[in-house]
Amino acid sequence: AQTVTQSQPEMSVQEAETVTLSCTYDTSESDYYLFWYKQPPSRQMILVIRQEAYKQQNATENRFSVNFQKAAKSFSLKISDSQLGDAAMYFCAYRSAFAGNMLTFGGGTRLMVKP
Amino acid sequence: DAGVIQSPRHEVTEMGQEVTLRCKPISGHDYLFWYRQTMMRGLELLIYFNNNVPIDDSGMPEDRFSAKMPNASFSTLKIQPSEPRDSAVYFCASSFSTKNTEAFFGQGTRLTVV
Repeated sequence: AQTVTQSQPEMSVQEAETVTLSCTYDTSESDYYLFWYKQPPSRQMILVIRQEAYKQQNATENRFSVNFQKAAKSFSLKISDSQLGDAAMYFCAYRSAFAGNMLTFGGGTRLMVKP
Repeated sequence: DAGVIQSPRHEVTEMGQEVTLRCKPISGHDYLFWYRQTMMRGLELLIYFNNNVPIDDSGMPEDRFSAKMPNASFSTLKIQPSEPRDSAVYFCASSFSTKNTEAFFGQGTRLTVV
């Protein structure tokens, strides 16, 4: 079974600064997908960014980018120019390419943004 | 499309009562998932359906939990009888079967069993 670990229960960042959230995973599969979801206080789960394991290039979505290290099984999220609206819980998630479309989530990191 | 729609948003019930949570997936999606979120266990998969057929219910905690998907546009998660430890946020999500597509989540149902 796959496991996803987020070792930082809480992080804080100054507005306009950059922060990196860590995620590691354990799998024996060669093909899979990785996701970062954001959960603001409204509870809604919002996809931030996704990465296909077969792609070497790191995914980027505006201020959000990932550092995907397949050999190290690491998938960190970098948020540049942090904004107050970035404050939320962030969940890293794994999805196998072989067995259904279900997600395995990490425990989450609460990000606080200081004005 | 309005997205994944869950009802109710909040439910407070007494221990021993039956609780039914409802979900309408995004039209055309052929996967439907039920997740539970608690402080202690985080987000965990309870059950998922593919083309209305339950594929994996190994995450369903006990026989008190059951889920159905009678058609492509509706699913229910039932707890009978409910217990205080069932208090959690229950999410429904749906997706296409295409591998590189994302899952879309509903806004969740916060269940409190007193």
